[in-house]
Amino acid sequence: QVQLVESGGGLVKPGGSLRLSCAASGFTFSDYYMSWIRQAPGKGLEWVSYISSSSSYTNYADSVKGRFTISRDNAKNSLYLQMNSLRAEDTAVYYCARDKTIFDYWGQGTLVTVSS
Amino acid sequence: SSELTQDPAVSVALGQTVRITCQGDSLRSYYASWYQQKPGQAPVLVIYGKNNRPSGIPDRFSGSSSGNTASLTITGAQAEDEADYYCNSRDSSGNHLRVFGGGTKLTVL
Repeated sequence: QVQLVESGGGLVKPGGSLRLSCAASGFTFSDYYMSWIRQAPGKGLEWVSYISSSSSYTNYADSVKGRFTISRDNAKNSLYLQMNSLRAEDTAVYYCARDKTIFDYWGQGTLVTVSS
Repeated sequence: SSELTQDPAVSVALGQTVRITCQGDSLRSYYASWYQQKPGQAPVLVIYGKNNRPSGIPDRFSGSSSGNTASLTITGAQAEDEADYYCNSRDSSGNHLRVFGGGTKLTVL
């Protein structure tokens, strides 16, 4: 069965960096686009970034452009999100999701807290 | 602000029918997908495309679209349907970005 497991969240100071990972299993990872989606506490869902199956294409929400970088390693069935220059408003649960323009499978999320 | 607009809250009596709507310019060109999220859980896809349900989603969930409005209908709402519902589609800029609606809190009375 399809499984997505995020890791790497935690507490970080404003201006700091964090790298999230998402381990995928149960499907041919290299065939699919993947996305990161976040949810601030008590708020709605916000799409963050996607990457194409071969890493040729990436795209970002304006709120993270220039600060976050999405990448993947198809040999390791893994998706990553490098987050730099973190701000308080980046505090959220970060989900990875399989992206077919629809998000048909989601991980359980990892919490990122940006606070001094 | 979101390019997709949803009512913040909707309520329905147990066993009755409820429609949750999502408005946005991009919906004139692209279908919406719908996600159900219960407290403390990850979202779950419930409707996609013209009116498709993933395996395991009850057939009381259905979708439709007209003009710039997409709708999720629950026919015979059950207590377990109480949740937040989010629509999702592409943005209207043509840059292939993804966008979510602000979400609708459904209360089953």
